[in-house]
Amino acid sequence: DIQITQSPSSLTASVGDRVTITCRASQSISNYLHWFQQKPGKAPKLLIYAVSNLSRGTPSRFSGTGSGADFTLTIRTLQPEDFATYYCQQTYTTPRTFGQGTKLEI
Amino acid sequence: EVQLVESGGGLVQTGGSLRLSCVASGFTFSSEWMSWVRQAPGKGLEWVANIKEDGSEEYYVDSVEGRFTISRDNAKNSLYLRMNSLRAEDTAMYYCAKDGAFGVQNYWGQGTLVTVSS
Repeated sequence: DIQITQSPSSLTASVGDRVTITCRASQSISNYLHWFQQKPGKAPKLLIYAVSNLSRGTPSRFSGTGSGADFTLTIRTLQPEDFATYYCQQTYTTPRTFGQGTKLEI
Repeated sequence: EVQLVESGGGLVQTGGSLRLSCVASGFTFSSEWMSWVRQAPGKGLEWVANIKEDGSEEYYVDSVEGRFTISRDNAKNSLYLRMNSLRAEDTAMYYCAKDGAFGVQNYWGQGTLVTVSS
């Protein structure tokens, strides 16, 4: 199985800050890396698919980069509604695997 | 608008069985792979299984292989997860999700909670 290591596990930031979350896969996964946002008590929501493609409704302050096995989610100019938990996921092979999550707190 | 509505969760004893259902609307169900993803209380996301559009292929995470069965009824726009030999570690919110390009889960239901207890 492909392991995904996501860091940091938690992050404290302020409105207006720029933050970066990283995911490293245990092998190359091409561009099969995606990012989700989850708020308490809610289902996850797809933010970015295939490394850098914004899902419908995702604000442009979110961006994704990377290739091979190393990937990054960047949020520019944090807004109050961005405080949530973020997960990356690979779909290069089954089983699909998620990173451990990053809790972004104020 | 894509909608996925799960049902069938509840409290079940260790070793028991449960069948989850998910009714889909707002897209052509028979043309899409579908998945189940779960989340134990306070923990991260775990992909459980997926199934091809016509039901001819199924894939599972190792921890449920042989105990869980994913299936679908395209005439009823419904996805199912039959769970047997349930263990305490299967306690989780179970989400039904539609797979999109690149196999990513691009739409999710609200989830149904399964609690396994002795």
